[in-house]
Amino acid sequence: DGGITQSPKYLFRKEGQNVTLSCEQNLNHDAMYWYRQDPGQGLRLIYYSQIVNDFQKGDIAEGYSVSREKKESFPLTVTSAQKNPTAFYLCASSLLPGLGTDTQYFGPGTRLTVL
Amino acid sequence: GQQVMQIPQYQHVQEGEDFTTYCNSSTTLSNIQWYKQRPGGHPVFLIQLVKSGEVKKQKRLTFQFGEAKKNSSLHITATQTTDVGTYFCAGNLRRTSYDKVIFGPGTSLSVIP
Repeated sequence: DGGITQSPKYLFRKEGQNVTLSCEQNLNHDAMYWYRQDPGQGLRLIYYSQIVNDFQKGDIAEGYSVSREKKESFPLTVTSAQKNPTAFYLCASSLLPGLGTDTQYFGPGTRLTVL
Repeated sequence: GQQVMQIPQYQHVQEGEDFTTYCNSSTTLSNIQWYKQRPGGHPVFLIQLVKSGEVKKQKRLTFQFGEAKKNSSLHITATQTTDVGTYFCAGNLRRTSYDKVIFGPGTSLSVIP
């Protein structure tokens, strides 16, 4: 059963703590993305990666970090430097741009609440 | 930088009425996609348009890509309560290999039974 998974679905953390959100895909996609969505808002790109061991900052990368050690995995760390971390975090994957489609497949998301 | 805008931001319709959301880009797009996000869910891909002037239909949904490839629309005929959600358009310039899809802010549709 192919797809993209994120865990956990809900996450609570105390202010000042770093937290890592998991994202795994078995679609054999090269590109992976992290988005942040605030209530009633659109999607804002945090980081994206088109190849293992390489990633690019999106529009709101400050306070976040990522790694891409494996093609299947793209974990996101929300650091204590992120001023307003409470949000819905969505991971997505796609084929590389230029291969005919830019369709992004989204995971179910992780709702992070920082207390 | 590139911007993708959508109007309206919110739309409330009576069940059975039609609904249209419009997507506009400040620059010419290589392609445009539409996604639907149900309340509490994640965005799900609906369709991709590539050609200038392209029109595609999915049952009650009609998607159009403008002649200049700068705008697009999604029209739903005779809305149903299952149409409730936020509809996002997303476009890509494809100027470089690092170009990525830019999402519009979305149009939230409410359907009153």
